[in-house]
Amino acid sequence: QVHLVQSGAEVKKPGTSVKVSCKTSGFSFTSFGISWLRQAPGQGLEWLGWISAFDGNTDFAQNVQGRVTMTTDTSTSTAYMELRSLRSDDTAIYFCARMGPLRGAFVPCDHWGQGTLVTVSP
Amino acid sequence: EIVMTQSPATLSVSPGEIATLSCRASQSVSTNLAWYQQKPGQAPRLLLYAASSRAPGIPARFSGSGSGTEFTLTISSLQSEDFAVYYCQQYNDWPPITFGQGTRLEIK
Repeated sequence: QVHLVQSGAEVKKPGTSVKVSCKTSGFSFTSFGISWLRQAPGQGLEWLGWISAFDGNTDFAQNVQGRVTMTTDTSTSTAYMELRSLRSDDTAIYFCARMGPLRGAFVPCDHWGQGTLVTVSP
Repeated sequence: EIVMTQSPATLSVSPGEIATLSCRASQSVSTNLAWYQQKPGQAPRLLLYAASSRAPGIPARFSGSGSGTEFTLTISSLQSEDFAVYYCQQYNDWPPITFGQGTRLEIK
């Protein structure tokens, strides 16, 4: 069975950074990519970026480019998302989701992590 | 960036009836469109991909149609567990991947 298990909730001060992990199991990690998305309270889904566990390529949404880093550890089948210079409007539930391994691949987000609440507060 | 627009924002339907949700893309996405269901406190769940293919384990009462810029999600014979928020997503031309703003399906 495919599983994506994310790290626990975080409370951060504005200007600091947060790193969320997404540990996967039940599939060949390096045959897929991982997207990161978020959902602000009461709002819809926002795609933040994608990393290929196959070749390490990344793509990011314009509004977080320069503040976000996405990495993978193939030895533990884990993906990471670090967001820097946090602001109050970064408060959201952050999700990881499995996607295809190649940029632009016609593959949806077929399995999701449970979500990680990140709260940014003074 | 492809903008996805869902309608209506809220749909009130009685159990046992049919619900029809719409999604429009600002430019053609071919059939590279997915539908997700999200219940409170849960992650989204993939319902349909390629506009009309059901994901594993999804009941047959969920069906999708459309191509290009106009898509429909139909839920026949609504069950209590179907009342949730539904999102469409295009993955035809990315980055970025884009979602509609969601349709809340509520009990009438």
